[in-house]
Amino acid sequence: GAGVSQSPRYKVTKRGQDVALRCDPISGHVSLYWYRQALGQGPEFLTYFNYEAQQDKSGLPNDRFSAERPEGSISTLTIQRTEQRDSAMYRCASSQWTGGYEQYFGPGTRLTVT
Amino acid sequence: TQLLEQSPQFLSIQEGENLTVYCNSSSVFSSLQWYRQEPGEGPVLLVTVVTGGEVKKLKRLTFQFGDARKDSSLHITAAQPGDTGLYLCAGEVNNNNDMRFGAGTRLTVKP
Repeated sequence: GAGVSQSPRYKVTKRGQDVALRCDPISGHVSLYWYRQALGQGPEFLTYFNYEAQQDKSGLPNDRFSAERPEGSISTLTIQRTEQRDSAMYRCASSQWTGGYEQYFGPGTRLTVT
Repeated sequence: TQLLEQSPQFLSIQEGENLTVYCNSSSVFSSLQWYRQEPGEGPVLLVTVVTGGEVKKLKRLTFQFGDARKDSSLHITAAQPGDTGLYLCAGEVNNNNDMRFGAGTRLTVKP
């Protein structure tokens, strides 16, 4: 595709349920990032991958959050046993390579936990 | 605490005024980027700076990277309502594409 895509765009779930958020990066992009963004704030780093290898997961809030990118392309961010505080915009971005290359952001998934 | 501190957090000015926003850190960055984000959209890259002391101009926008590569500034000349948005800086740590964003400066330019 032409850009980064994310699905679903909106997700409403009940507290305690698991959710899986998908990111499809720009074809050929090596690096893929997951962020969480509150309204009017900058993106909060969660984790990122180079190819299929998870480079840094220090931003994941707790062990309910996990991410994978098994074939170095599509990535899934999974939140287990969701809580209301998990409600946020989750954004994915990809970039071509290292060294300050531009990050291209997806449209985000708005997660609401009721 | 944020790795990158942006100031001011909010800025509201009249059309035609000049402004400068800042991005500061105690860490050294391999590169630093400025993004602009509009409501409901993802951030879009404005510029990347990589060399200490580097100055880049993009029309009415001037970006400067500090000599020590720990800070940066964005200066806008003769601001226009179309400049309204959230301005974000992002620094690359560890030269491994490990990017961190600041909290942003929310700019409003009134006509």
